[in-house]
Amino acid sequence: QQKVQQSPESLIVPEGGMASLNCTSSDRNVDYFWWYRQHSGKSPKMLMSIFSNGEKEEGRFTVHLNKASLHTSLHIRDSQPSDSALYLCAASNPAGGYKVVFGSGTRLLVSP
Amino acid sequence: DMKVTQMPRYLIKRMGENVLLECGQDMSHETMYWYRQDPGLGLQLIYISYDVDSNSEGDIPKGYRVSRKKREHFSLILDSAKTNQTSVYFCASSSGTAETLYFGSGTRLTVL
Repeated sequence: QQKVQQSPESLIVPEGGMASLNCTSSDRNVDYFWWYRQHSGKSPKMLMSIFSNGEKEEGRFTVHLNKASLHTSLHIRDSQPSDSALYLCAASNPAGGYKVVFGSGTRLLVSP
Repeated sequence: DMKVTQMPRYLIKRMGENVLLECGQDMSHETMYWYRQDPGLGLQLIYISYDVDSNSEGDIPKGYRVSRKKREHFSLILDSAKTNQTSVYFCASSSGTAETLYFGSGTRLTVL
């Protein structure tokens, strides 16, 4: 059974600071990674996807992927109180029927 | 406007009762999912459906079954609900494998 491990479990950063979140898959055949954001009481929404080695930037958000180590990270610069949420990493393995498996999440709190 | 609709939003049942959770999407997406979310456990995949009558077990299928007779509609059935099935259930859909998941607003199920 594929596992997706996220760290840290929770994170507090000051407003304007940098938040760094980590995610690793235990399945060597994983090919696709996503980051979803879930505000309290709401449903998850896709934030960023990354399928190739390297880095991808969208506004204040940057995601990295190292396929050799099956590790992805999400970095949020100039963090805002509205970024406070549960961040979920998801991974999918084509050989596993493309089932999308989620980690347990990192709860981010941005303090004003 | 892309939408995944879940009914009902809140549901209280007694142990041993049957439960039907319904999900619809208006995007003609092929793939649909049922997840449950418990504190500290992220999203756990119950079932995935690749199209009408093409369903596959996820990581925690025991105690659940699904039905998909129309592409836009995917149901989750709990026969004789148990107290440990108290959870928030999310339905999601995607346009294919390795694509973004769009989530419904969730059903909070309490089994007494």
